[in-house]
Amino acid sequence: DTEVTQTPKHLVMGMTNKKSLKCEQHMGHRAMYWYKQKAKKPPELMFVYSYEKLSINESVPSRFSPECPNSSLLNLHLHALQPEDSALYLCASSQGGTGGTEAFFGQGTRLTVV
Amino acid sequence: AQSVSQHNHHVILSEAASLELGCNYSYGGTVNLFWYVQYPGQHLQLLLKYFSGDPLVKGIKGFEAEFIKSKFSFNLRKPSVQWSDTAEYFCAVREDSNYQLIWGAGTKLIIKP
Repeated sequence: DTEVTQTPKHLVMGMTNKKSLKCEQHMGHRAMYWYKQKAKKPPELMFVYSYEKLSINESVPSRFSPECPNSSLLNLHLHALQPEDSALYLCASSQGGTGGTEAFFGQGTRLTVV
Repeated sequence: AQSVSQHNHHVILSEAASLELGCNYSYGGTVNLFWYVQYPGQHLQLLLKYFSGDPLVKGIKGFEAEFIKSKFSFNLRKPSVQWSDTAEYFCAVREDSNYQLIWGAGTKLIIKP
């Protein structure tokens, strides 16, 4: 199984809503990532979890809250988002440790904030 | 700070033409190099990667790339493109001691049938 699975595929939420994005991988990878991608732009790194601990937080606003319940799962909790947060949110995973491994990406969740 | 430059933001070619997309990076140490492709409406897929060894790497779908350390370059090539190669192509670089991928701005490739 070489897949990273994200749910939901599409999400529309209001600015006062609370929702969660989910990501799952069963490749035994120990590093997991959240990226945000705007149209026609490269992905922007938001968070990195390494061995289930948050290792990188790229100055992301607190309305985005990551969680790594176990080595296979990664969540992104959303609260009080703004319309400019509308984007494709990508989850990725890699083997972990330093160097020498590529990241596998999920299909993404297309988020629209209204 | 490390950066990645993709020289062409838009490339339009006819089918069977040869392709070369440029990628240059700024970091002087050991790097891992990647080309990812994103077909319309789809997720990012790895085309090929370079970690060490032979600087000419072959990837999926007939793509190859050459790492030239002296030029800090990792250009993507394909001898004969097909209409199905229409996509966005991203070059990415990672320092060997770091998780973080540094991405180029992307090149939108359009193949005319």
